[in-house]
Amino acid sequence: NFMLTQPRSVSASPGKTVTISCTGSSGSIASNYVQWYQQRPGSAPTTVIYEDNQRPSGVPDRFSGSIDSSSNSASLTISGLKTEDEADYYCQSFDSSYGDVVFGGGTKLTVL
Amino acid sequence: QVQLQESGPGLVKPSQTLSLTCTVSGGSISSGSYSWSWIRQPAGKGLEWIGRIYTTGRTNYNPSLKSRLTMSLDTSKNQFSLKLTSVTAADTAVYYCARAQFTHYSNWGQGTLVTVSS
Repeated sequence: NFMLTQPRSVSASPGKTVTISCTGSSGSIASNYVQWYQQRPGSAPTTVIYEDNQRPSGVPDRFSGSIDSSSNSASLTISGLKTEDEADYYCQSFDSSYGDVVFGGGTKLTVL
Repeated sequence: QVQLQESGPGLVKPSQTLSLTCTVSGGSISSGSYSWSWIRQPAGKGLEWIGRIYTTGRTNYNPSLKSRLTMSLDTSKNQFSLKLTSVTAADTAVYYCARAQFTHYSNWGQGTLVTVSS
C-alpha cells in the first residue's frame, strides 16, 4: 500500500521559513497531485495547497508547495512565519493503483 | 457557500453498527464533478480516509475498512451516509464528512465524535 511519511514535528521562530516534507513510499510522487491541509486544534482541516503548488483564494502567498522527484517528496514551505501558523499540517495524495486517498501522518508545527 | 453537517449517535456499543449522515446545504449533492467522503481522526492522531461516493453512486473504500463499510447517497434529502459494522474501540474517532472537487477536499463538516463503548 502506498504511504506518505511526514516528520512528526518541526519548529521555527516567527519571521523565519520552515519546510515540511512528505515522502512517498513507492512509485513516483509526481504521478498524482499532492495537497496540504492545515488543522488547528478543535477544527476541521482546511486546504493551504492543492495540486502540488496551487493556493486556494484567501491563503497567503507565504505558503508554497513543490515536488522533488529525485527524493520522491513533496514539500510545504511557509515563509515569514506567524504565531497563527502554529498547527498540524497533513499532506494528501492518491494511491495510483485504485485512486484511493492517502494522508500523511501529519506534522506539528510549533512557532516559538 | 456549501456547508456540510454530520449527524448521528455519539455513542455506539461494541459489535454494533455505526451510522452517520452528512447533510449538505448551499448546493446540490448531485451536481458538479464532486465526490463525497468520510474521513476520521482518533483523538491525538492523524487523518484516516474512510471512503468516498460519487454522484453516480460509485464508491471507493479504504481497503482496511472495506469489509465493514457501506456508503450511500440520498439525493432527495441532499445527504450521504456511512454505515460501519462490527465496531470496536479502535473505531472511536471524530468523523468528518467532506466534499472533494477533483483532487482536494474543499469543504468539510465540523466533525462529530463517535465513541465505541459499552
